[in-house]
Amino acid sequence: QSVLTQPPSVSGAPGQRVTISCTGSSSNIGAGYDVHWYQQLPGTAPKVLIYDNSNRPSGVPDRFSGSKSGTSASLAITGLQAEDEADYYCQSYDSSLSGSYVFGIGTKVTV
Amino acid sequence: QVQLVESGGGVVQPGRSLRLSCAASGFTFSTYGMHWVRQTPGKGLEWVAVIWYDGGNKFYGDSVKGRFTISRDNSKNTLYLQMNSLSAEDTAVYYCARGMGSVVKDTWFDPWGQGTLVTVSS
Repeated sequence: QSVLTQPPSVSGAPGQRVTISCTGSSSNIGAGYDVHWYQQLPGTAPKVLIYDNSNRPSGVPDRFSGSKSGTSASLAITGLQAEDEADYYCQSYDSSLSGSYVFGIGTKVTV
Repeated sequence: QVQLVESGGGVVQPGRSLRLSCAASGFTFSTYGMHWVRQTPGKGLEWVAVIWYDGGNKFYGDSVKGRFTISRDNSKNTLYLQMNSLSAEDTAVYYCARGMGSVVKDTWFDPWGQGTLVTVSS
């Protein structure tokens, strides 16, 4: 299982708001390491959606927002659109053992 | 535009070796740390290795340590991953990705290549 825990799936109707949680521990998110989020459309490579907990790269709609608190982080999608149907992954750094970048198992968003 | 293109994937027998390449363009390759990340249906995304901008430091995930070697040729804008002693558990799509951010442990990956499929099977 992944070091970062995400729900396997979330769904919502067009226009609704959905949130995806990413739960870690004291060796990763709780240690203060930043959380980043990626969107993976079917058949394509992951693309960064949110970096450093809450920052959007240019070109990413402001419907996507990120937050972090304690040992968890969240990605929110407001005004859900059909094109948002994809897999979403959180990523951070884990300092246990030899240290490693770690990902959540991914959350499938269905619109 | 910034682009990463992987090559070298294919079908390989258990115990054999394979070398992946990643050609970079559209940015100053020699100033960025570069990563390999792999993806399997069962285990999701797994970070594999990183090499610093000048090749001076290399770090590996526990599952590949001692078997895989990351390297780069800044004169050719190319990243490599030498994979030895392959097993079925190494079957995955392998992505190269540029490391972003000023703090190493807070790195995020942007962009990613299109990926190359490695299948380890007899």
